[in-house]
Amino acid sequence: NAGVTQTPKFQVLKTGQSMTLQCAQDMNHEYMSWYRQDPGMGLRLIHYSVGAGITDQGEVPNGYNVSRSTTEDFPLRLLSAAPSQTSVYFCASSRDRGEAFFGQGTRLTVV
Amino acid sequence: QQPVQSPQAVILREGEDAVINCSSSKALYSVHWYRQKHGEAPVFLMILLKGGEQKGHEKISASFNEKKQQSSLYLTASQLSYSGTYFCGTEGSPGSEKLVFGKGTKLTVNP
Repeated sequence: NAGVTQTPKFQVLKTGQSMTLQCAQDMNHEYMSWYRQDPGMGLRLIHYSVGAGITDQGEVPNGYNVSRSTTEDFPLRLLSAAPSQTSVYFCASSRDRGEAFFGQGTRLTVV
Repeated sequence: QQPVQSPQAVILREGEDAVINCSSSKALYSVHWYRQKHGEAPVFLMILLKGGEQKGHEKISASFNEKKQQSSLYLTASQLSYSGTYFCGTEGSPGSEKLVFGKGTKLTVNP
């Protein structure tokens, strides 16, 4: 099992550019989430989804969009990258509010 | 709203015990505990549900006081492999699937 796969692992963007962080899981989990991790701030919830076609905002949603057209995929879109979005991004999935499985993360730098 | 973890950091010698606390200003339905090693993704340790029992994982156990909206993680006879950052994640209501994490507690176990 691949589990939760995030791509890319590393990315450098210029301010104002847009991009999509990909997240895919092969465990047929209903629930998927995106977090960002910054030093001293822990894991902060950006957006989450309880199933295909259903998404909701987390603690820090501004500047990010998500969609969930399939159970497997939950991409995160940065519309216009800003230096404040420099962070490590983690995608996670779970079933029935149980154990959350995290991807290996995407390290994003915005210059 | 992020739960509050304490202490922020703790240093132990191998074989010593530690307690990490997690508290919330809101009523809790469940508390999750994860451990993250440097440069890696968070890994699930255990989940405690409202009305549930104390859970254990090897020499790591946890409790959940629903009335006080608090949870504690107990690490006994710590091993070098316990080093890492511990996060608690809280869920406020069933069905929300909105798992919000604290800022983490960095645990260092020395020989």
